[in-house]
Amino acid sequence: NAGVTQTPKFQVLKTGQSMTLQCAQDMNHNSMYWYRQDPGMGLRLIYYSASEGTTDKGEVPNGYNVSRLNKREFSLRLESAAPSQTSVYFCASDASGNTIYFGEGSWLTVV
Amino acid sequence: GENVEQHPSTLSVQEGDSAVIKCTYSDSASNYFPWYKQELGKRPQLIIDIRSNVGEKKDQRIAVTLNKTAKHFSLHITETQPEDSAVYFCAASVGGYKLSFGAGTTVTVRA
Repeated sequence: NAGVTQTPKFQVLKTGQSMTLQCAQDMNHNSMYWYRQDPGMGLRLIYYSASEGTTDKGEVPNGYNVSRLNKREFSLRLESAAPSQTSVYFCASDASGNTIYFGEGSWLTVV
Repeated sequence: GENVEQHPSTLSVQEGDSAVIKCTYSDSASNYFPWYKQELGKRPQLIIDIRSNVGEKKDQRIAVTLNKTAKHFSLHITETQPEDSAVYFCAASVGGYKLSFGAGTTVTVRA
């Protein structure tokens, strides 16, 4: 049982490049989330998906897009990366009102 | 949206002493309050949670208290050990969906 799996673990991008962070969960959870973590700011919600086929903006959505491909997968795309998007990104999922489980994180540096 | 404030940002305690972290929240509709522990380079992991129908919950050396009237909740760690050194996050949500996190408390246990 892998839980929440996200890739890649590390990535360096040049300003203006695009990339997609992939996330998959095998716990049959309805809800999935993307958070970013920056020093001294906790975890901030970027986008979330309450169920397959639905997505909504969180606290800091600018510069990102998401796709809930199916119940298992929820991807985060940076269309034109900026240095301000240097962060650790965590995908997470939960069974609608229960414990949230996080992936291992993706360390992204934009130079 | 929900706003969660967490204090202190850093906490240094002698091994064997107690540690207390406090959080306040803004949305009176919030009814689920988890605490996460994050070790360096790792994902956040749930250590304890409390729902609004109870005022206190304990699990071995950790306990959480909730004051819904004052909109604050606290984490108490007794008999601290070196392995308790980590960053702790409080969070709040309505029904466990779309958690809002505090900024985190770095706890250092001195041997």
